[in-house]
Amino acid sequence: GENVEQHPSTLSVQEGDSAVIKCTYSDSASNYFPWYKQELGKGPQLIIDIRSNVGEKKDQRIAVTLNKTAKHFSLHITETQPEDSAVYFCAASEGGGFKTIFGAGTRLFVKA
Amino acid sequence: DARVTQTPRHKVTEMGQEVTMRCQPILGHNTVFWYRQTMMQGLELLAYFRNRAPLDDSGMPKDRFSAEMPDATLATLKIQPSEPRDSAVYFCASGLGAKNIQYFGAGTRLSVL
Repeated sequence: GENVEQHPSTLSVQEGDSAVIKCTYSDSASNYFPWYKQELGKGPQLIIDIRSNVGEKKDQRIAVTLNKTAKHFSLHITETQPEDSAVYFCAASEGGGFKTIFGAGTRLFVKA
Repeated sequence: DARVTQTPRHKVTEMGQEVTMRCQPILGHNTVFWYRQTMMQGLELLAYFRNRAPLDDSGMPKDRFSAEMPDATLATLKIQPSEPRDSAVYFCASGLGAKNIQYFGAGTRLSVL
């Protein structure tokens, strides 16, 4: 089955700096890669996603890149703000199927 | 404001007791997922349904856990009997069609003493 590894487990950056979180997956059939943000006491919320026919996707300060050959994808947050502090999860699933496997999460701290 | 609603938000119970968690998916969504979140294991998929039919419950301990969808507006996750190791936050998520996007509820924090 699919296995998703996520690094780092904790990331601390200064406000205004960039943050990068990396994930690898094992199942070459996976073709949908969402990223979720979880704030304290809440459920994960989708912030951006990418499908296998696209190499990069941007939405304001966040971007995701995908390298299908190497089976890895990354989340990039630029100009970080204190409100970006949260736990971020990457995930992988096979389109058409719905089984989504999550990474272990990255706790991001943005210091003001 | 469409959202997934989970009840109860918190549950404290004693070992051996039955626990039932409920989820109301977003109206019109046809897939429902149950996840368990712990510090050690992260987010684990327990079971998921499509059009109320169970598609996969391989992540669920079969001897004590059961998941059902009595109707399109209600999904339940039951633990009987509960054990201290079941203490976790249980999330329900719903989605629509082949988009794979999942919308999570706020979770049920379960403590089994």
